[in-house]
Amino acid sequence: SAVISQKPSRDICQRGTSLTIQCQVDSQVTMMFWYRQQPGQSLTLIATANQGSEATYESGFVIDKFPISRPNLTFSTLTVSNMSPEDSSIYLCSVESPGADTQYFGPGTRLTVL
Amino acid sequence: QKEVEQDPGPLSVPEGAIVSLNCTYSNSAFQYFMWYRQYSRKGPELLMYTYSSGNKEDGRFTAQVDKSSKYISLFIRDSQPSDSATYLCAMNEANTGFQKLVFGTGTRLLVSP
Repeated sequence: SAVISQKPSRDICQRGTSLTIQCQVDSQVTMMFWYRQQPGQSLTLIATANQGSEATYESGFVIDKFPISRPNLTFSTLTVSNMSPEDSSIYLCSVESPGADTQYFGPGTRLTVL
Repeated sequence: QKEVEQDPGPLSVPEGAIVSLNCTYSNSAFQYFMWYRQYSRKGPELLMYTYSSGNKEDGRFTAQVDKSSKYISLFIRDSQPSDSATYLCAMNEANTGFQKLVFGTGTRLLVSP
């Protein structure tokens, strides 16, 4: 499976600031995904990021709050903008599997907003 | 009602026990079913992938799908303390493919020595 890394692994941020999370994969992939995992809740897809096109956002998520970049086939960033305590969560990136039948996940970024 | 229901646990068992983890779902269009294992402070790791109904075995793990009952299971034989983790089920429709996975909330499993 692909080796996926995320930076930072965790952070504590102040209300009103922004944080950019990086996702790096060791092989070229067409599709990358960003998820949020809140305590007691299932993984929720934020957006799908394809290289060379705008990210596609799921219902309830908007580009102004969660801008995404996908500059090449091995890298993506997710920014959490103007943060509030409700944004405290684990943010995960994932990539399509080689057989394009499922997804492999990164280790996650644990975000706490004070 | 959630599309996928999963008991959050925790499920506590002694080492060596057979563990049964389950998910129910409401969408009859789901065709592909997955189990992920997530250790504390780690990302989900794919354990098993199955298509449609039937059983699939991989070492100590067996995944079972009963589409008529909209019920999937993961069995762990000879459970070990290293199996202590949260187990997430996931599934998707054939027409949306792997891009639209629907997850359960996860069941926390604790295996005591």
